[in-house]
Amino acid sequence: SQELEQSPQSLIVQEGKNLTINCTSSKTLYGLYWYKQKYGEGLIFLMMLQKGGEEKSHEKITAKLDEKKQQSSLHITASQPSHAGIYLCGAPPADSGGGADGLTFGKGTHLIIQP
Amino acid sequence: DSGVTQTPKHLITATGQRVTLRCSPRSGDLSVYWYQQSLDQGLQFLIHYYNGEERAKGNILERFSAQQFPDLHSELNLSSLELGDSALYFCASSVDPLAGVKYTQYFGPGTRLTVL
Repeated sequence: SQELEQSPQSLIVQEGKNLTINCTSSKTLYGLYWYKQKYGEGLIFLMMLQKGGEEKSHEKITAKLDEKKQQSSLHITASQPSHAGIYLCGAPPADSGGGADGLTFGKGTHLIIQP
Repeated sequence: DSGVTQTPKHLITATGQRVTLRCSPRSGDLSVYWYQQSLDQGLQFLIHYYNGEERAKGNILERFSAQQFPDLHSELNLSSLELGDSALYFCASSVDPLAGVKYTQYFGPGTRLTVL
């Protein structure tokens, strides 16, 4: 079965600093989703990357997909307290060629922003 | 607000009992997915329904079942509950699962189940 490994598991960053979170898949990526979760709450959709080399940005968050490395990265520029939370990457099932079905998720990266 | 609603928000029950969690998808979404999130297992896919029909199963226990009704809302039934079933249960919805990776799953706020 497919596994997504996120690194780091947790991250403490001073407000205003940049940071990067990585997500590496054990199998071919047919797309990659990034979500943000506040503790105990629902997942908020951030971005979807569909093909290799794709890069998307929303406000101060940029995500890239490297199909060859089976990896995606999420970069936050000039971090703010509002960026604090758990970041989760999710991928459609590799075994069905990325067909629509339940997503496989990484364990998440806990981000803390220090003032 | 994703547009996906879940009830109840919290549920406390005893071992051996049966509970039903409810989910209403976003307007126009035909697919409903159920997930379980626990500290040790993380977020895991349980089951997917599309327009009333079961589409795929993930790591769903035999004690658990789901259905999707004609009005597209879905219910997840958990029976013979064990302490280990305590978790956050999320449903998500998407427009068209046949669109491949172009579908986006929008998550509800979750139901926190505590089994005592």
